[in-house]
Formats: sequence, C-alpha cells, structure tokens
Amino acid sequence: EDQVTQSPEALRLQEGESSSLNCSYTVSGLRGLFWYRQDPGKGPEFLFTLYSAGEEKEKERLKATLTKKESFLHITAPKPEDSATYLCLTGQNFVFGPGTRLSVLP
Amino acid sequence: KAGVTQTPRYLIKTRGQQVTLSCSPISGHRSVSWYQQTPGQGLQFLFEYFSETQRNKGNFPGRFSGRQFSNSRSEMNVSTLELGDSALYLCASSSGQVAEAFFGQGTRLTVV
Repeated sequence: EDQVTQSPEALRLQEGESSSLNCSYTVSGLRGLFWYRQDPGKGPEFLFTLYSAGEEKEKERLKATLTKKESFLHITAPKPEDSATYLCLTGQNFVFGPGTRLSVLP
Repeated sequence: KAGVTQTPRYLIKTRGQQVTLSCSPISGHRSVSWYQQTPGQGLQFLFEYFSETQRNKGNFPGRFSGRQFSNSRSEMNVSTLELGDSALYLCASSSGQVAEAFFGQGTRLTVV
C-alpha cells in the first residue's frame, strides 16, 4: 500500500531561521511529487511539482528537492506570512501526507 | 483566468439526508478530483473523473458518488448522511492525472 509521511508534524521557527520539511513516500513508480501550502479554512495552494530524483525547484524563500525515497522543502529566512500547513502529494495515487504545520514567529 | 469554483461554501444537513456538492474546474481542465478533509484523517482521496469517466476511486463507501458532465463540471453526492461525514470537501482540477492540481476553496459540510 502506498504511504506518504511527513516530518516534523509541527515546527515553530523564529523569523529568519531557516529549516527543512521532509516528505517520505513508499510508492511504486513515482509519477510526480507535488507540494502544497494550506491556510486555515482554505483549499491547498499549489507550490511545486517534482518528477525525477535530483530535480530541484525554487520559488522565493522555498526550494523543493527530490530523491528516490523522499522530498525536502527548504525554507530560507522565513517570514510570518510563510506560516501554514505544508502538504505533499504523490501523483499517481492521490495520496496526501498528513502535513507539517509551520509557525514563523516575528 | 478563473480558478476552481465550489458551491455552496457552507452546508448544514441532518443525519439521513443527502447532499450534492458542485465543482466548476479551470477552463480547459478535464480532470476533476474530490477529497475529504477532517482534522483526524487529513486529506483523503474520494475519486477522480476525466472526460466524464470515473478513472480512480478511493476507499469510501458507496454512499459517496460523483459524476462529471461534458463541460467538465463535476458533482459529488453523499446519501444517507452520517455525523462522521462532517468535513471540508475539496475539489481540484488539472489537465491530467500527474499534472499539478488546483484546488477550490471547499465546501464545509456539517451534519447534525
């Protein structure tokens, strides 16, 4: 059975304190790994798509990377507006990870 | 470019009733998927439609059903509502199964 896990479950950072979120998956023949952010009461907002090991994508303070078993979302010098739940999703089986709740304190 | 539109935004229903939720995808997108989000279970996949055909299905009972119309708009129906069906129901549209999906704001269903 395909599984997606994320760690940590929750993360509190001071503004400017860089860190990384992890998404580990056990799926056969990954066909895309997607990252989303979700604010309370809203639908997930698309961030990145990664298709092959070694691929990297960047957007503002975020950078996503992919290996054969996991993906990382690196947050550099975060700001309070980066506070949200970050979710990863495997492409072929629509399996979401449980998410990481990120809080960035001013 | 208009985003994914879900209606209604909020619903309150009584146990035993049925409900229909609607989703209008981004223009040109032929794939529509549905998810249930609860605090305890997170985001769980219900089903995916592509060109009016259900292409993928999650592990939900038969009380949950859906359909897609020729204009790609989709509806989801839940019959014989239970208290545990209270959740945020999210719809996402994409150009294909392994393409990025864009979500609507969701429909908050409360069953009393």
